[in-house]
Amino acid sequence: NAGVTQTPKFRILKIGQSMTLQCAQDMNHNYMYWYRQDPGMGLKLIYYSVGAGITDKGEVPNGYNVSRSTTEDFPLRLELAAPSQTSVYFCASSISRNTEAFFGQGTRLTVV
Amino acid sequence: QQQVKQSPQSLIVQKGGISIINCAYENTAFDYFPWYQQFPGKGPALLIAIRPDVSEKKEGRFTISFNKSAKQFSLHIMDSQPGDSATYFCAASKRGGGADGLTFGKGTHLIIQP
Repeated sequence: NAGVTQTPKFRILKIGQSMTLQCAQDMNHNYMYWYRQDPGMGLKLIYYSVGAGITDKGEVPNGYNVSRSTTEDFPLRLELAAPSQTSVYFCASSISRNTEAFFGQGTRLTVV
Repeated sequence: QQQVKQSPQSLIVQKGGISIINCAYENTAFDYFPWYQQFPGKGPALLIAIRPDVSEKKEGRFTISFNKSAKQFSLHIMDSQPGDSATYFCAASKRGGGADGLTFGKGTHLIIQP
């Protein structure tokens, strides 16, 4: 099993550009999450989903959008990139609430 | 408002020693407390987790101690090894309602000196 796969691993964006961070899991998990990690700040929840067609905002959703059309995929969309979105983004999945979350390898995004 | 406070920010321990990382939480709705380990360039991975109905959980060299009345929990790494050098995050999540997912502490950078 591949687990949680994120693409791309690295990306440089110019201010105002848009991009989609891809996330796929092959564990048939209902719950999926997007976090961002900034140095010395831990991980903060951007959006989460409890199943296909259901998404909700986390702690820091501004500037991002998500969709969940299938159980496997949970893409994160940045519409107008800003320097404040420079971060490492992690996708994670879990089978249910309050169980082990499996993380992807991360996407390092730089906005210049 | 930081809901999970973690200390210390960094920690250096000699090989074979005990590493101790502490966390405190504010929200009494939290009912799941995992610890994650992260190596450079990798995603976090679950190390050990505890629920508030027990005061201690041990898995190999790793132990979580949980004090519900003080709203504190800690990770103890016994016989610390250089391979344990990593960043450790405590986290917490709620039993129901509100935003799902984990609330993380800011992390502890642990270095085990050989």
